Amino acid sequence: QSVLTQPPSVSGAPGQRVTISCTGTSSNIGAGYDVHWYQQLPGRPPKLLIYANRNRPSGVPDRFSGSKSGTSASLAISGLQADDEADYYCQSYDSSLSALFGGGTKLTVL
Amino acid sequence: EVQLLESGGGSVQPGGSLRLSCAVSGFTFSSYDVNWVRQAPERGLEWVSAFRGGPDTTYYADSVKGRFTISRDDSKNTLYLQMNSLRVEDTAVYYCAKVLVIGFYYSGLDVWGHGTTVIVSS
Repeated sequence: QSVLTQPPSVSGAPGQRVTISCTGTSSNIGAGYDVHWYQQLPGRPPKLLIYANRNRPSGVPDRFSGSKSGTSASLAISGLQADDEADYYCQSYDSSLSALFGGGTKLTVL
Repeated sequence: EVQLLESGGGSVQPGGSLRLSCAVSGFTFSSYDVNWVRQAPERGLEWVSAFRGGPDTTYYADSVKGRFTISRDDSKNTLYLQMNSLRVEDTAVYYCAKVLVIGFYYSGLDVWGHGTTVIVSS
C-alpha cells in the first residue's frame, strides 16, 4: 500500500475535464516537499508530466495542470483526448529523503 | 540526445545476485542525481534507490535496504545497482532515471531508460 493515495481509476468523455488526487501526510507532501506527476502509457517508461507541483516540462500541453495544497496535490486534464488514456502517478519525498510514489490512477477515456 | 540504457537483467533463483547497469549519454552524468525505480508486473511504480552527489550520498527503500547497493562510475558514465539476496517480490522491470535539475535532488525525474527485467523464481 502506497504512502501517497491516489484513486485507482478515473474516467471521462472526450473533451471533458478530469482530476486525479494525491493525498499524503504531514511527513511528506505536508512537510513542503514538491509533488511531481508522471504519465505512463502501456509498455512504456514513465514520462514527467508536471514537476514542482504546477510546472510543465517543454512539450507537455497546457491541458495538463497541477496544484498542491496542504497534504494533497491534484492533476487536472482538460479537453480529454483518446491518447490521454494511461496510468498517472504522483511522486514526492519524505523526511528520510526517500522518494515516494502514489499507487497510480488508470485514466479511461470513454 | 539524453539517453539512459539499462542492462543486466535476467532470471535468477531466490537468494541469488544480479548487477544492473545504466549507461548514460548526452549529459554530464557526474552533475546529476540518479535513481532506480522498479515496477512489478501489473503493479505501480516503486522507488528503489538514489545516488546523490555533492557529497556522495545514497538512499534506499526499506524493502531493499541491506540487500541492494547503488554506485556510479563517472569515468564510464554508468550507474549500477548490485542486488543481493534476491527475493521473489523483487521481480520487476527496473528503470534508471535522472533528476531534472542539476544539484536538486527533489526536482523530479525527467529522463528514464526503457528498463531491464529481473525475474526471481525457483
